[in-house]
Amino acid sequence: NAGVTQTPKFRILKIGQSMTLQCTQDMNHNYMYWYRQDPGMGLKLIYYSVGAGITDKGEVPNGYNVSRSTTEDFPLRLELAAPSQTSVYFCASSYLFLGAEAFFGQGTRLTVV
Amino acid sequence: GIQVEQSPPDLILQEGANSTLRCNFSDSVNNLQWFHQNPWGQLINLFYIPSGTKQNGRLSATTVATERYSLLYISSSQTTDSGVYFCAVDGNYGQNFVFGPGTRLSVLP
Repeated sequence: NAGVTQTPKFRILKIGQSMTLQCTQDMNHNYMYWYRQDPGMGLKLIYYSVGAGITDKGEVPNGYNVSRSTTEDFPLRLELAAPSQTSVYFCASSYLFLGAEAFFGQGTRLTVV
Repeated sequence: GIQVEQSPPDLILQEGANSTLRCNFSDSVNNLQWFHQNPWGQLINLFYIPSGTKQNGRLSATTVATERYSLLYISSSQTTDSGVYFCAVDGNYGQNFVFGPGTRLSVLP
């Protein structure tokens, strides 16, 4: 029972490069989320998904894309990395959209130079 | 959207002391969770507590949903309790999880 697993844990990107942050959950949760946490701040919602094939924007979606082809996986894509995307990224999942406990992955620390 | 405030923003304690952290929110919620982010950045679920009181070892939490606040109690603090404590709530209008700004706790030996 791994819960929510994110890979990689750390990554350094050059400006303009692309990468995909992976997120997998084994709890059969319908709902999955991507958050970013800037230094000294709380978490902000980037994108979320209510099930396979359905995604929607959160508070800070610009510069990111997501897809949800299976219940288990919810990758986050950065197409043209910018220094403003230097952050720690957390993936989360829950059984319900509202009112259910959310489980978080261990985070991916991304630096764009 | 819903607003979440936490107090105090910073707290320094001697090992063994007790503390109370507060979370205020501006609207009714379906869920409230407390998290501890340790110095290595890991986000750890402490409590899922939309209402009522729960206890887990030295930690306990109380949410009074009708008055829109939650309290996290830490007793006999240890240096391993250091880190940032976040409160997060979900609003009633499809806003998943809004996080408060956090309380940074430092427990000194």
